[in-house]
Amino acid sequence: DTAVSQTPKYLVTQMGNDKSIKCEQNLGHDTMYWYKQDSKKFLKIMFSYNNKELIINETVPNRFSPKSPDKAHLNLHINSLELGDSAVYFCASSQGETQAFFGQGTRLTVV
Amino acid sequence: GNSVTQMEGPVTLSEEAFLTINCTYTATGYPSLFWYVQYPGEGLQLLLKATKADDKGSNKGFEATYRKETTSFHLEKGSVQVSDSAVYFCALSLHTGNQFYFGTGTSLTVIP
Repeated sequence: DTAVSQTPKYLVTQMGNDKSIKCEQNLGHDTMYWYKQDSKKFLKIMFSYNNKELIINETVPNRFSPKSPDKAHLNLHINSLELGDSAVYFCASSQGETQAFFGQGTRLTVV
Repeated sequence: GNSVTQMEGPVTLSEEAFLTINCTYTATGYPSLFWYVQYPGEGLQLLLKATKADDKGSNKGFEATYRKETTSFHLEKGSVQVSDSAVYFCALSLHTGNQFYFGTGTSLTVIP
């Protein structure tokens, strides 16, 4: 059983399109996250979502929006995709200060 | 604020060399500290952790000691292997909330 799963693993799309990445965790954790990893492997927090409280990284464009239908899911919607959005996006979850569990990543390529 | 600073890479070492990756942190409370490893094409996975000052985390030959006086959590390994080639991330989380803060990652390449 995968603890944190995200789909799709690869996503290739054209500029201007709208796309979604789905994330599900079966660990019963209260907090979920989205991270963006650029080509230099730098990892940047985009959002954290805890018990319906959304904490947004202010540097994230408002074209990015997280949607959490329930505690086990945190999806990422991206509108009007741009070339600079190409990256690997990771979903993660945690409970309290214990370790965070990561999904395998979604490699987004905007052409 | 809360943040993690780790040495920038990339780091290239010969097999059996000694490894140190520096990590320092700033935290408003008393954090737990972590090292995560990302192997090529994979997600991040926990390598080791320490939850209070002077604790030592260890796993797979890697060690890191929680040093409150220097706000550091440096990662060390006495003899690296080619299979240790990966990106290493230092991270902290606070006991008071559900927040993880990651460093920017250090890429390690071990050559035979």
